[in-house]
Amino acid sequence: DQQVKQNSPSLSVQEGRISILNCDYTNSMFDYFLWYKKYPAEGPTFLISISSIKDKNEDGRFTVFLNKSAKHLSLHIVPSQPGDSAVYFCAARLEGGNTPLVFGKGTRLSVIA
Amino acid sequence: KAGVTQTPRYLIKTRGQQVTLSCSPISGHRSVSWYQQTPGQGLQFLFEYFSETQRNKGNFPGRFSGRQFSNSRSEMNVSTLELGDSALYLCASSLAPFGAGANVLTFGAGSRLTVL
Repeated sequence: DQQVKQNSPSLSVQEGRISILNCDYTNSMFDYFLWYKKYPAEGPTFLISISSIKDKNEDGRFTVFLNKSAKHLSLHIVPSQPGDSAVYFCAARLEGGNTPLVFGKGTRLSVIA
Repeated sequence: KAGVTQTPRYLIKTRGQQVTLSCSPISGHRSVSWYQQTPGQGLQFLFEYFSETQRNKGNFPGRFSGRQFSNSRSEMNVSTLELGDSALYLCASSLAPFGAGANVLTFGAGSRLTVL
């Protein structure tokens, strides 16, 4: 039972355009969400997060939107740059528990110059 | 400061052998967790250690084990290797254990295990 789903394994976007990466979750007890970016031969690095009490969090070119009623979050990258080409993982944390993050399977973003 | 260091970076083993992977966390980080990444499966949680105690364990067979030392360094061991154990094994460290606030994990580059 996959609780965090990233239904698009890959995404290609032109440089300068917007990249939108989507993530759906099934457990309403998740209270904190994170996005990680992973380049080949490197470990994932933290990108941006959002608490369930917010619906938007912005950090430079990166914005995460959370729609709790739809159990959906999205990561927007504007404008997209070739250096953004990586695998992006969505992760979620259960409220109040000492449980590990639950990760999606990842979406490979390719930004084409 | 130095990041999370994992050794070895690459290794090749044959079925039936055993392997030990090492992880040195960021200085001051006392929580270490391990993940398995395979193509199409994302990051699957293996275990979490904090202050030498295993606090969480993922849904993996008993062939997968781990430990943490007093200096917070951690090792994981896989015995009786199977072809399906071929994966990237990632270690992450954090100041506090899971559940203690908005805990961001810092990952190492991983150990890529190939089982032939």
